[in-house]
Amino acid sequence: DTEVTQTPKHLVMGMTNKKSLKCEQHMGHRAMYWYKQKAKKPPELMFVYSYEKLSINESVPSRFSPECPNSSLLNLHLHALQPEDSALYLCASSQVPGGYQPQHFGDGTRLSIL
Amino acid sequence: AQRVTQPEKLLSVFKGAPVELKCNYSYSGSPELFWYVQYSRQRLQLLLRHISRESIKGFTADLNKGETSFHLKKPFAQEEDSAMYYCALFSGSEKLVFGKGTKLTVNP
Repeated sequence: DTEVTQTPKHLVMGMTNKKSLKCEQHMGHRAMYWYKQKAKKPPELMFVYSYEKLSINESVPSRFSPECPNSSLLNLHLHALQPEDSALYLCASSQVPGGYQPQHFGDGTRLSIL
Repeated sequence: AQRVTQPEKLLSVFKGAPVELKCNYSYSGSPELFWYVQYSRQRLQLLLRHISRESIKGFTADLNKGETSFHLKKPFAQEEDSAMYYCALFSGSEKLVFGKGTKLTVNP
């Protein structure tokens, strides 16, 4: 399996809802990433997990809460989001963190906040 | 601060013509540079990286440290090359810094 799988593909939620995005990889990669991508813009880094520990938080609002339960799985818990949080959320993984390794991206979850 | 500049937001060429997508970077150390491509309705994927010095789908890119550039080139563009191209810099931390992207359209 050489893919990063993200679920769900689409998510519509209200501002008071709580939902989670899921990302999975079975390539044995030890670094996993969350990015936010607005239309026609490059991906913006949100979080980096290295060996299942949070190593980088790019000053992301606390309404986004990442979790890495094991080396294959990465979650992003969402609560009380704002309309400006509507975007494509991308997960990526790389073989090792900080090792100049290329990142493998998932298809993303398209999130719409009502 | 690390920065990647892709000066062309849009680039349009005819099939069979040469194409060059420009990328300049700002970084004081030894950079690791990548080109990523996003075809319509497909995931962002690695096209090539400077350290491997390989040619993928006919594309090449050479790191020019003097000009701090990593331009992507292809001698004969194909319609299937139409996509969004991002140049990215890995600066020695765990972060990948992306340029704003160039949308390439290859016309028949």
